[in-house]
Amino acid sequence: DVKVTQSSRYLVKRTGEKVFLECVQDMDHENMFWYRQDPGLGLRLIYFSYDVKMKEKGDIPEGYSVSREKKERFSLILESASTNQTSMYLCASSRRSSGGLETQYFGPGTRLLVL
Amino acid sequence: QKEVEQNSGPLSVPEGAIASLNCTYSDRGSQSFFWYRQYSGKSPELIMFIYSNGDKEDGRFTAQLNKASQYVSLLIRDSQPSDSATYLCAVKYGSSNTGKLIFGQGTTLQVKP
Repeated sequence: DVKVTQSSRYLVKRTGEKVFLECVQDMDHENMFWYRQDPGLGLRLIYFSYDVKMKEKGDIPEGYSVSREKKERFSLILESASTNQTSMYLCASSRRSSGGLETQYFGPGTRLLVL
Repeated sequence: QKEVEQNSGPLSVPEGAIASLNCTYSDRGSQSFFWYRQYSGKSPELIMFIYSNGDKEDGRFTAQLNKASQYVSLLIRDSQPSDSATYLCAVKYGSSNTGKLIFGQGTTLQVKP
């Protein structure tokens, strides 16, 4: 079974703090993704990575950065947390498939509250 | 702008009925289609994927794909209260290897005992 883990289930931070969210997958997947999910807005892609040290912006990258130094680990960084970054953050991973069958597997999510 | 549209619901069905969830997408180049279920406060989990026109069945779930009309649907037979959740449709566009999916906003299903 694919396992995607996230470093924290719940996190409370103060405005202006630097926040690190970590995601680890154990299935040797090439692709990894960070989303945020807010009521009424659905899943929104922040950043994704298709290989070690490679990253691409998603739909809402402002205020975030990412790091992928190892294949199994993808980190999301909030450089200076703001209250509008209070959200559920979801990490996902998938295999690179030439057939186009790239199921994304999600971690349990991190619920971040910025005060 | 590539889009995936779902009716947000809630869709309410009685226990034992068939629930029908629909999804339309904008890009004819789409290749693969996914249905995820998300319980409140939990992360999405894959139910099924489909990539060929027609029906694909897995237990009580049937995914239907019509590429000419650009829609994909999920039927849940013999609906149970435990099926109450939000169902997300996701579409992979083109042949990129990045694996990026476009998600719909989800349809909330309520199965009433």
